[in-house]
Amino acid sequence: GDSVTQMEGPVTLSEEAFLTINCTYTATGYPSLFWYVQYPGEGLQLLLKATKADDKGSNKGFEATYRKETTSFHLEKGSVQVSDSAVYFCALYTGANSKLTFGKGITLSVRP
Amino acid sequence: KAGVTQTPRYLIKTRGQQVTLSCSPISGHRSVSWYQQTPGQGLQFLFEYFSETQRNKGNFPGRFSGRQFSNSRSEMNVSTLELGDSALYLCASSVDRAYGYTFGSGTRLTVV
Repeated sequence: GDSVTQMEGPVTLSEEAFLTINCTYTATGYPSLFWYVQYPGEGLQLLLKATKADDKGSNKGFEATYRKETTSFHLEKGSVQVSDSAVYFCALYTGANSKLTFGKGITLSVRP
Repeated sequence: KAGVTQTPRYLIKTRGQQVTLSCSPISGHRSVSWYQQTPGQGLQFLFEYFSETQRNKGNFPGRFSGRQFSNSRSEMNVSTLELGDSALYLCASSVDRAYGYTFGSGTRLTVV
């Protein structure tokens, strides 16, 4: 079945540091890939998406590229801010399973 | 544009009781999905409705049920509550699932 693997957390960075959060997936067919972010006490917000191989999703300085050959969708940001502190979830959607499959999530803390 | 609205935000129930949670999707979104989020199991898919029909169901016991109305609003019901049902229940709506879902803020259910 479909699955998403995220790197283990938590991650703590200083403000303006470079961020990479790894995400790999296993899926039947050609999934759409997503990064969602969850702030304390809130639901999930769609951060960015990519619907086909080599697509690059980007939003608020975050980027991720759909790599079919390595089945990866790593999240990057060049300079993190304290306000980026949150839990980040990688997810995929396939028509075959007709649902979102999430990774376990990773907590990012950014210190001033 | 109004987002996905979930009510109530917080709920405390006693073991053995039943509970109904409500979700109003974004106007024009006919697909509504429900997810359970717990620290131990992460985000798990409950079910999806489209045009009042259940299109997909996750691996949850029959105590968990849902429905969708003609205006796309959805409810989920949990009967005979157990302590393990304590979780954040998230509703998400979509106009095209391959391009992503919009989540509500969730209902935090505590079973005592």
